[in-house]
Parts: sequence; C-alpha cells; structure tokens
Amino acid sequence: DAGITQSPRHKVTETGTPVTLRCHQTENHRYMYWYRQDPGHGLRLIHYSYGVKDTDKGEVSDGYSVSRSKTEDFLLTLESATSSQTSVYFCAISDEANYGYTFGSGTRLTVV
Amino acid sequence: SQKIEQNSEALNIQEGKTATLTCNYTNYSPAYLQWYRQDPGRGPVFLLLIRENEKEKRKERLKVTFDTTLKQSLFHITASQPADSATYLCALDYNTNAGKSTFGDGTTLTVKP
Repeated sequence: DAGITQSPRHKVTETGTPVTLRCHQTENHRYMYWYRQDPGHGLRLIHYSYGVKDTDKGEVSDGYSVSRSKTEDFLLTLESATSSQTSVYFCAISDEANYGYTFGSGTRLTVV
Repeated sequence: SQKIEQNSEALNIQEGKTATLTCNYTNYSPAYLQWYRQDPGRGPVFLLLIRENEKEKRKERLKVTFDTTLKQSLFHITASQPADSATYLCALDYNTNAGKSTFGDGTTLTVKP
C-alpha cells in the first residue's frame, strides 16, 4: 500500500523467542497503530502512537511492546513469542484521529 | 464494552442488484463510523466515514446511512459487480478513544455474474 510498508511479510518463529515487526511510513502522519486480525475476532488494537515517543495500550496489549523513535517508524515487539500470538498483524496510519486509516499489507506471523 | 454485529458472515447476490450490509452496535453511539473493504491477503482499504450528525453519505456506487436511534449503519453497493466481492468491515470511533477504532468481524460479499 502506498506510503506504508510492513516487514517482514511472513515469519515463522519458535515459542519463547523475541520477534520485532516493523512499520514504516512515508506520509508523515502523526498516528500509527498496530492491529492483529484473527478469525472470529476481527481486527483488535494492540498499541497505538500519537507521536514520537508517545504510545498507549490497546485492547490486547499483553505480551507486546512498541517503540516509536522516529515519525516514520513504529516497531512492535513480542518479548517472548507464544502460540497464541500466531496471527496476521496490520499496521495502520492516519493524519487525524478518527478520520480513516491507511493499512499496510500485513505480516503473517506463525509461532511454532 | 461496546459490541458490534455485522450481518451474517456471508452475503451472496446477483450482479446488478443492490447489496446491503448491516452494522449494529450496542451501548452509546460513536462519534464516527467507518466502512472498509478487505480482499484476501490484503490490508483493509478505507471507503467511507460518516459522523453521528450525518444521516447519509455517498461515494459513486456506495451509500452509507447512520441511524443513532436504531444504533445501526447500513452500507449499500448499487449495481453490484463481481469485482465488488470482498469482505466489508465497519469500525466505530469515539471521541474519548483518541482514534482507537473498534472493528466488526466483517461480512463477506460475493457477487455472482
């Protein structure tokens, strides 16, 4: 998707290992979000950021941490991956709160 | 907590007909309601946003209504085409949540030729 890229696109990791997913934007948008999408649960907010070094928890933040040291990058870290964190992770950006998001293409993470 | 229900998981219609998708919510009304389209293996794509003081919004073949009395939004696609086949998500936003949208599970629309 134009202006927002996620890496990696796919990852398989072992239980107990740390994992970092990266979201990079070229739109200079203030707000960045991490969602996970699972069958039967839809999209659920993990963490979000409203500026450099300003982050807050979402609905399902346990087991996840985030960092935003630059406007363009928002990192999601699974400190010790568990099988329940197998999911598709989406990053999203917006230039105003509550004004429509632009989503990345997603990262499919499998924890074995 | 807020609960969002989108009508049946799957909706099948014939090409040329109007597709109507429903998004119902409980509790208090959101400040904004959004609709997204999602294709398999892709991220959601923003379609329309409607505010609580707006009754209707249109964009080409798309129309969204917002009824705060019924606690419901309807999403219409007129003159549907097979290319409209996708999953459609609604999302609710509240001023107090600073941009933290709550998404429904989505309705998968299939338009048959």
